[in-house]
Amino acid sequence: KQEVTQIPAALSVPEGENLVLNCSFTDSAIYNLQWFRQDPGKGLTSLLLIQSSQREQTSGRLNASLDKSSGRSTLYIAASQPGDSATYLCAVNQGAQKLVFGQGTRLTINP
Amino acid sequence: GAVVSQHPSWVICKSGTSVKIECRSLDFQATTMFWYRQFPKQSLMLMATSNEGSKATYEQGVEKDKFLINHASLTLSTLTVTSAHPEDSSFYICSVVGYNEQFFGPGTRLTVL
Repeated sequence: KQEVTQIPAALSVPEGENLVLNCSFTDSAIYNLQWFRQDPGKGLTSLLLIQSSQREQTSGRLNASLDKSSGRSTLYIAASQPGDSATYLCAVNQGAQKLVFGQGTRLTINP
Repeated sequence: GAVVSQHPSWVICKSGTSVKIECRSLDFQATTMFWYRQFPKQSLMLMATSNEGSKATYEQGVEKDKFLINHASLTLSTLTVTSAHPEDSSFYICSVVGYNEQFFGPGTRLTVL
């Protein structure tokens, strides 16, 4: 059974810092991996999707990497801003679009 | 990406009543939708796969007679929580499969008193 773990569970950093969020998964047989952002009481916003054949994807200040063989992905956020404060979730797609989610990292950017 | 709406955004009901939650794909015809449940400070757990024109597929441990799913059209799936109890209080989120990825609705907060 696929298990997805995100470390750390919570992170608080001053504005302007670069930071890395980690995601690991136990079964490397995945189709893709997706990073989402969730604001309190809201739905999910897709940030980046990495296909299993890709190593990384970039969107603005966000960069996500994928090492399928070791079961790891990282989300790099450059020059963090208070508006980046949210919970970040990673999810792996094992086929038929069934997503298995990690527990999330609650990020707080302090002005 | 696809735009997904949910209605209502929040609902409070008495124990024993049934509640219907709608999930609409506003700009995309979706043959497949998913329903997730999220308890406070926990991650999303897939409840069921909703397939247009056929029966839903439920994940292990999800009672199909309690969580009724109807996907009657390519733009609408409904989740009915029957005889709701306080332990059913949760955040319910649907998603639409399109362009090889999932797009999520804003969620429905259900509180059962």
